[in-house]
Amino acid sequence: TQLLEQSPQFLSIQEGENLTVYCNSSSVFSSLQWYRQEPGEGPVLLVTVVTGGEVKKLKRLTFQFGDARKDSSLHITAAQPGDTGLYLCAGVIGGFKTIFGAGTRLFVKA
Amino acid sequence: SQTIHQWPATLVQPVGSPLSLECTVEGTSNPNLYWYRQAAGRGLQLLFYSVGIGQISSEVPQNLSASRPQDRQFILSSKKLLLSDSGFYLCAWSQIAGGPEYEQYFGPGTRLTVT
Repeated sequence: TQLLEQSPQFLSIQEGENLTVYCNSSSVFSSLQWYRQEPGEGPVLLVTVVTGGEVKKLKRLTFQFGDARKDSSLHITAAQPGDTGLYLCAGVIGGFKTIFGAGTRLFVKA
Repeated sequence: SQTIHQWPATLVQPVGSPLSLECTVEGTSNPNLYWYRQAAGRGLQLLFYSVGIGQISSEVPQNLSASRPQDRQFILSSKKLLLSDSGFYLCAWSQIAGGPEYEQYFGPGTRLTVT
C-alpha cells in the first residue's frame, strides 16, 4: 500500500510566525503537487514540483521536492490569517494515478 | 479556460435510497476524470478514475459505481445508500497526456448526508 504521510496534522500559530509542513513517503513520485482547500470547497492547486531537489516559490510559500523524489516540504514565511486552510500534498505515481496525504490543517490567528 | 461543474451541491438522502452525482468538464477534450471522497477535514480517497468513455477503474470495493457516458461527463451512482456513504464527494480532471505533472483540477464538491 502506497502512503503519503503529512505532518503535523494540525497547526495553530500567530500571525507573522513561520511554519513548515512535511510530506513523506517510501514511494518515488514522478511529480508532487500541493493543494490548499477551504471548508466546503474543492482543493486548489498551488504548485507542482517535478525534479528531485527542486525548489519553487510562490510569494511567501516555498516548496521543496526531495532529492530522491519521495518527500516534500512547504514553508510559509510570516503567516497571515488568509493562509488558514487545509494543505494537501499529492504524489503522482504509475502515470496519472495520484495519492493524497491526509492533510495539514493550518489556523493562523490575527 | 477549463471549468468543472458538480451537482447537486448538497444532498440529504435516506439509507437505502439511490444516488446519482454528476460532473461535467468544459474547455478540454479527452480528460482523465476522477471521483474522490473526503472525510471531514481530512485527505482524499480515490474512488474511481477514467481515461476514456466507458473506461472505469475502481480503487475501493464498495456499493458505489461510476460511469462515463460522454467524454466530459462522469457520474457517480449507488443503488442503495449506506450511512457510511456520507461525505464530501469531489470530481476532478487532469490532462491525459503532456508530461509527469498530471495536475488535477477539482470541482466544488457535493456534500452528501445519508440519514
